[in-house]
Amino acid sequence: DAGVIQSPRHEVTEMGQEVTLRCKPISGHNSLFWYRQTMMRGLELLIYFNNNVPIDDSGMPEDRFSAKMPNASFSTLKIQPSEPRDSAVYFCASSETGDGNTIYFGEGSWLTVV
Amino acid sequence: KQEVTQIPAALSVPEGENLVLNCSFTDSAIYNLQWFRQDPGKGLTSLLLIQSSQREQTSGRLNASLDKSSGRSTLYIAASQPGDSATYLCAVYSGNTPLVFGKGTRLSVIA
Repeated sequence: DAGVIQSPRHEVTEMGQEVTLRCKPISGHNSLFWYRQTMMRGLELLIYFNNNVPIDDSGMPEDRFSAKMPNASFSTLKIQPSEPRDSAVYFCASSETGDGNTIYFGEGSWLTVV
Repeated sequence: KQEVTQIPAALSVPEGENLVLNCSFTDSAIYNLQWFRQDPGKGLTSLLLIQSSQREQTSGRLNASLDKSSGRSTLYIAASQPGDSATYLCAVYSGNTPLVFGKGTRLSVIA
């Protein structure tokens, strides 16, 4: 398997623009996680899905953030409108069981909002 | 709410030294604890997983220990090499939420 695939790897956008980050989890994994990493706050869980259903979105910082998982092989994280403080690395991860035993991370989407 | 703390935030050692990275967590009711490695510009890779019933796990030059009652774990790296330079993160799983991560320790091994 190719692992968790994220796109784009790097994005620079202007404040106010819409940003869409994409993730393809490992085939057969039924849990998907979106994390955000910054120097100040470390790695924070934004939202996670089990069997395509959002379970906990309490980590989503504001209504400007939304996430969807229309099927088992695709998820999106959208920021609209984007702000400079959203600049961070956004990681997608997937696991078979969601119990923390086997979790695999993508290489991240590096977002810069200017 | 579970909180995970890692000390030190950064560490620089000469090649060949043995070193210890520390991780503490506030809620001892955990299912397991993992140590991850993150190379610059990359995602996280799991190194070792310790179940709550275990005291330690070993993989090559790496040894992770767990003292659940005191809320502590250590990652011991023997005979460090420049290739060990990376950020090491620990994460705990408590059963009701996904993994909670520490902020990591950035390790530099100088040749």
